[in-house]
Amino acid sequence: QSVLTQPPSASGTPGQRVTISCSGSSSNIGSNYVYWYQQLPGTAPKLLIYSNNQRPSGVPDRFSGSKSGTSASLAIRGLRSEDEADYYCAAWDDSLSGWVFGGGTKLTVL
Amino acid sequence: EVQLVESGGGLAKPGGSLRLSCAASGLSVSNAWMSWVRQAPGKGLEWVGRFKSETDGGTIDYAAPVKGRFTISRDDSKNTLYLQMNSLKTEDTAVYYCTTHSLVVPAPFDYWGQGTLVTVSS
Repeated sequence: QSVLTQPPSASGTPGQRVTISCSGSSSNIGSNYVYWYQQLPGTAPKLLIYSNNQRPSGVPDRFSGSKSGTSASLAIRGLRSEDEADYYCAAWDDSLSGWVFGGGTKLTVL
Repeated sequence: EVQLVESGGGLAKPGGSLRLSCAASGLSVSNAWMSWVRQAPGKGLEWVGRFKSETDGGTIDYAAPVKGRFTISRDDSKNTLYLQMNSLKTEDTAVYYCTTHSLVVPAPFDYWGQGTLVTVSS
């Protein structure tokens, strides 16, 4: 059971916009930044969004992040086949004094 | 270019030990915040522990499931991070990734190694 809650799956067709949610609590998302990672099959995760809504250099602006209260979301617009991957949210948890991840969302591009 | 290369994974019996290594290049392990993150087969990511940079105190933190059994250390002369795993349990079976905070933006887990598989089974 992950501390942060994500839907196990999401899907969309090419060109569509999809969102992935991440729900936490006051000790993690409610008081700290949220980060998003993309893990393509058989590879290590890649940083996608940092500090709730910032994109590292090289990440397409099709990807965006937002946070409100104790929840966060990752949005992907103009969905492409290469976006098919697992997506994870993460945040520091003040009560646990450690990093916590969501259980991951498997995105399928139909 | 930052590169992290893990090694040391393999098969261990319950109650046994293994030591993982993470050889770094392109950064100094003493000047970086470095973590171990693991991923059980078909499961999600789980933070194991971290070693803060020397300038930020050089302290070490562990996740509750591994505290008291796992030890993170580093050898600055070899620019290498280690994860000593004792009293292994079957639930420790996972791919173990070495990862470091970004050198460019305020973000954890920016650079990742390729991972090394640890299997705990009798």
